[in-house]
Amino acid sequence: TQLLEQSPQFLSIQEGENLTVYCNSSSVFSSLQWYRQEPGEGPVLLVTVVTGGEVKKLKRLTFQFGDARKDSSLHITAAQPGDTGLYLCAGRSGSARQLTFGSGTQLTVLP
Amino acid sequence: DTGVSQDPRHKITKRGQNVTFRCDPISEHNRLYWYRQTLGQGPEFLTYFQNEAQLEKSRLLSDRFSAERPKGSFSTLEIQRTEQGDSAMYLCASRLGATNEKLFFGSGTQLSVL
Repeated sequence: TQLLEQSPQFLSIQEGENLTVYCNSSSVFSSLQWYRQEPGEGPVLLVTVVTGGEVKKLKRLTFQFGDARKDSSLHITAAQPGDTGLYLCAGRSGSARQLTFGSGTQLTVLP
Repeated sequence: DTGVSQDPRHKITKRGQNVTFRCDPISEHNRLYWYRQTLGQGPEFLTYFQNEAQLEKSRLLSDRFSAERPKGSFSTLEIQRTEQGDSAMYLCASRLGATNEKLFFGSGTQLSVL
């Protein structure tokens, strides 16, 4: 069973602060995705990374895939209350048809 | 693109009753997934369809669970003899093709078993 561990589990910060959340596994993934989920809704895809060492930027969000494709990080600069949500990483390994999700980081950005 | 729709949004049932959920994927998407999510956890994979064929089922899926996608369009997930441990959000997702990684989720059906 592939396990994706996310840390921290909960994070509460003030508007304007920077933060980094992590996604780690002992398994190698062919691709890794980050989603954001709001209460009562399904997850929404933010980014897909496929190459070891890859860095992708989405406005104030920076995603990095580890060189060995076993871990990833999400960095948010100058967080805003609208960034509040559950951030999930999900990986696909080998020929797997389905994604394996981590347990998520619940981010709260206080105004 | 009307998105993935799920019905109902909420379902409250008594233990032992049967329930059925429906998912309408994005029309041209041939791949459809069911996931289950409990509070404070990420979604857990339940089953996967490519067109009308159910190609994979999780070991988590007991015999009380059955899913269908009869015409390769909408899908149903039925839970028989519900148990309190079945209480969760049931999420449906779809995607287009083998090389397109983008998975679109519906808003889910929140099941409460009393």
